[in-house]
Amino acid sequence: QSVLTQSPSASGTPGQRVTISCSGSSSNIGSHSVNWYQQVPGTAPKLLIYNNNERPSGVPDRFSGSKSGTSASLAINRLQSEDEADYYCAVWDDSLKGLFGGGTKLTVL
Amino acid sequence: EVQLVESGGGLVQPGGSLRLSCEASGFTLSDYYMDWVRQAPGKGLEWVARSRDKTKSYSTDYAASVKGRFTISRDNSKNSLFLQMDSLKTEDSAVYYCSRGTSRDYWGQGTLVTVSS
Repeated sequence: QSVLTQSPSASGTPGQRVTISCSGSSSNIGSHSVNWYQQVPGTAPKLLIYNNNERPSGVPDRFSGSKSGTSASLAINRLQSEDEADYYCAVWDDSLKGLFGGGTKLTVL
Repeated sequence: EVQLVESGGGLVQPGGSLRLSCEASGFTLSDYYMDWVRQAPGKGLEWVARSRDKTKSYSTDYAASVKGRFTISRDNSKNSLFLQMDSLKTEDSAVYYCSRGTSRDYWGQGTLVTVSS
């Protein structure tokens, strides 16, 4: 069981807004920046959001991140079929180790 | 263009050893933190090890599950990162990825390690 808690699944229809949450503690999310990754099965993860809410170049502005206290969220606006993938939050912990959430499988209905 | 290419995976018996390599191009390895991250079949991502950059004297950290068995190292002159894996267990079977920086903005394609008798 992951120290960072994510819902195992989420779903939405094209055009909808979906949010994925990530819950941690004061030693990780409460103290460090959160990153989000998108992984299409069979491929390497791709950085989606870094430093809580920054988007790398090339990532559509439909994707946004936020953090409050010991929780973080990834929002996907105007959902598209190609957004169907697994999403992971990640953060460093004060115990000097990296953490990943358990992952959320997003289904576009 | 930034590229990371892993190699060295394969089938190994429990208790055996394997050395993974990650060849970096398009950037200077010594300027970056580098991580190894693994993914067991059908499972989520798991952080394995970190090598910090030259400003942090290339210090290292490990996940509890691999500490004392795995060693991360680098050869900056060859722009390469390594993961020496000893005393391998069946639960170490996974695709191993190397990634760049604290944000992990670039990832390799991964190399599959299978630990089985």
